[in-house]
Amino acid sequence: GAVVSQHPSRVICKSGTSVKIECRSLDFQATTMFWYRQFPKKSLMLMATSNEGSKATYEQGVEKDKFLINHASLTLSTLTVTSAHPEDSSFYICSARGARGAYEQYFGPGTRLTVT
Amino acid sequence: AQSVTQLDSHVSVSEGTPVLLRCNYSSSYSPSLFWYVQHPNKGLQLLLKYTSAATLVKGINGFEAEFKKSETSFHLTKPSAHMSDAAEYFCVVISDSNYQLIWGAGTKLIIKP
Repeated sequence: GAVVSQHPSRVICKSGTSVKIECRSLDFQATTMFWYRQFPKKSLMLMATSNEGSKATYEQGVEKDKFLINHASLTLSTLTVTSAHPEDSSFYICSARGARGAYEQYFGPGTRLTVT
Repeated sequence: AQSVTQLDSHVSVSEGTPVLLRCNYSSSYSPSLFWYVQHPNKGLQLLLKYTSAATLVKGINGFEAEFKKSETSFHLTKPSAHMSDAAEYFCVVISDSNYQLIWGAGTKLIIKP
């Protein structure tokens, strides 16, 4: 149980285009989803926290207009990187948390974004 | 502020020898602690977790970790390393205030044949 999927696993896009990454909880309802970014040889950096049906809470320094997060249902959250630039190239990982009050997060396999 | 410190950025051991990955944390209360493993270009897998039950926690793939409150440590060990253990390992603590994850910088485990 507690499986989280991400799609796509890898994406290459041209500078200036937008890319959408999906995160799904396959066998549980995720009241909260998190989006992380991981730079090469670095730890995970939390970008934003989203609760189903409400606006995402972004961490300091993360541009909310550039990284659009939608958590429209209890099993799906999307991250859209708008007007992508090469510096947005990174490994993006989502995680999901179940019932309110639970603390354990379940991680997706990650999406490798390369902007050319 | 709470923090997690992984004392070694790289650890290199020979196959069949013991593994020790060190982690120290700061927390005001009794913490919840995790170890995650990340294989190259793969997602994160939970190895084990401590949630104020037994101080010696057994995880998957033969790993275990011991919670030592007096030393504020949660070191990860394995008696005998296998080539498939080569990966990045992250020590994580739950934030006291907002229940978010606070990540260590990671330790890259290298296994020599």
